[in-house]
Amino acid sequence: EPEVTQTPSHQVTQMGQEVILRCVPISNHLYFYWYRQILGQKVEFLVSFYNNEISEKSEIFDDQFSVERPDGSNFTLKIRSTKLEDSAMYFCASSKGLSRVAVDEQFFGPGTRLTVL
Amino acid sequence: AQSVTQPDIHITVSEGASLELRCNYSYGATPYLFWYVQSPGQGLQLLLKYFSGDTLVQGIKGFETEFKRSQSSFNLRKPSVHWSDAAEYFCAVVAGSTLGRLYFGRGTQLTVWP
Repeated sequence: EPEVTQTPSHQVTQMGQEVILRCVPISNHLYFYWYRQILGQKVEFLVSFYNNEISEKSEIFDDQFSVERPDGSNFTLKIRSTKLEDSAMYFCASSKGLSRVAVDEQFFGPGTRLTVL
Repeated sequence: AQSVTQPDIHITVSEGASLELRCNYSYGATPYLFWYVQSPGQGLQLLLKYFSGDTLVQGIKGFETEFKRSQSSFNLRKPSVHWSDAAEYFCAVVAGSTLGRLYFGRGTQLTVWP
């Protein structure tokens, strides 16, 4: 069964460093997402991506964040200058995206745990 | 603004007992409703979803839910819990204008005693 994969499973970085979290969505999906979960808190939406552009972003997704689909398979989240409060589990998800106005089931990856020291 | 509440942080049940995990949402219209489960080291797996129609929804692994509009609730039920159901359970909604954005509850951790 196709699944969303994420690498690495755990990333440790120093405050101020740049990190890139990688995701491989399900191959025929067109809509991609990033969510994060700070320990003990809710899973929060960061951004959605459709047709090679950001579809929606939350108030969390400020200028230090960016997303990219560099090739036909990867979807990345870059954090330009990490802060301590960026420590969280980051989940990638994808959906079929048959229509921009339709709600689809989102398929989630296992997450990347980011620890900022 | 949309919000989702799971009032129970941790629930413990005995294997074979029935289960009900509570979820309430706050939104003016009927949202799209989801329940996800997360086992350790795994991603979030969809158990069931409600978009419209019959308010009693059957999902995978024997789970079901009943959407109650008057109570703004979407509780997850299972008649007989198995030890393998131990996991964290999240309810989530997609509301209206933000079609791709899931709003999650904070999750309920389920422990199953043998």
